[in-house]
Amino acid sequence: SAVISQKPSRDICQRGTSLTIQCQVDSQVTMMFWYRQQPGQSLTLIATANQGSEATYESGFVIDKFPISRPNLTFSTLTVSNMSPEDSSIYLCSVAGASYQETQYFGPGTRLLVL
Amino acid sequence: AQTVTQSQPEMSVQEAETVTLSCTYDTSESDYYLFWYKQPPSRQMILVIRQEAYKQQNATENRFSVNFQKAAKSFSLKISDSQLGDAAMYFCAFRETSGSRLTFGEGTQLTVNP
Repeated sequence: SAVISQKPSRDICQRGTSLTIQCQVDSQVTMMFWYRQQPGQSLTLIATANQGSEATYESGFVIDKFPISRPNLTFSTLTVSNMSPEDSSIYLCSVAGASYQETQYFGPGTRLLVL
Repeated sequence: AQTVTQSQPEMSVQEAETVTLSCTYDTSESDYYLFWYKQPPSRQMILVIRQEAYKQQNATENRFSVNFQKAAKSFSLKISDSQLGDAAMYFCAFRETSGSRLTFGEGTQLTVNP
């Protein structure tokens, strides 16, 4: 499995500001994903980060609020824009290979608190 | 749309005993993958075990095994010889063969009592 790191591991932000979360993988991967886990809840997919093209967003998530970059096969960023307390969550990056048999592996997550 | 249901919000087990966590899912697909992930207090999502729907044999990984009942759309996780380190939130997840998105259940919080 890949080794995945995320930065920052946690942050406390003021409402109205933006935070960019980085996800770095130690090997090239085809698929990168961003999930949100709100307090006490399960994981919800925000978007799939595509290398060289725009991210594919799930219903309820928009690019203006969660812009994503994927400049290469080992790195992606998720920005949480114009934050409100409702954005307080854990944000997790996951990766998978090209094969349909590939399992998704997760980074350690970024714990965000918006005041 | 696929749905995944974990009907046990919380479970507890004595150390060294066996516990079974339940998961049911709904899909019209015939080929898919099922997973159990563990999330300890660190919040790191750790893959426990996976099952391919086309395989009749139940997957096993050391003390972890599944009971996959395709017709009943049931996918339970059995943890044998429970250890204190098994205490965590456990999530069941589904993925279509043709797709990449994971659909997660609501999770089961497992407590292991010494």
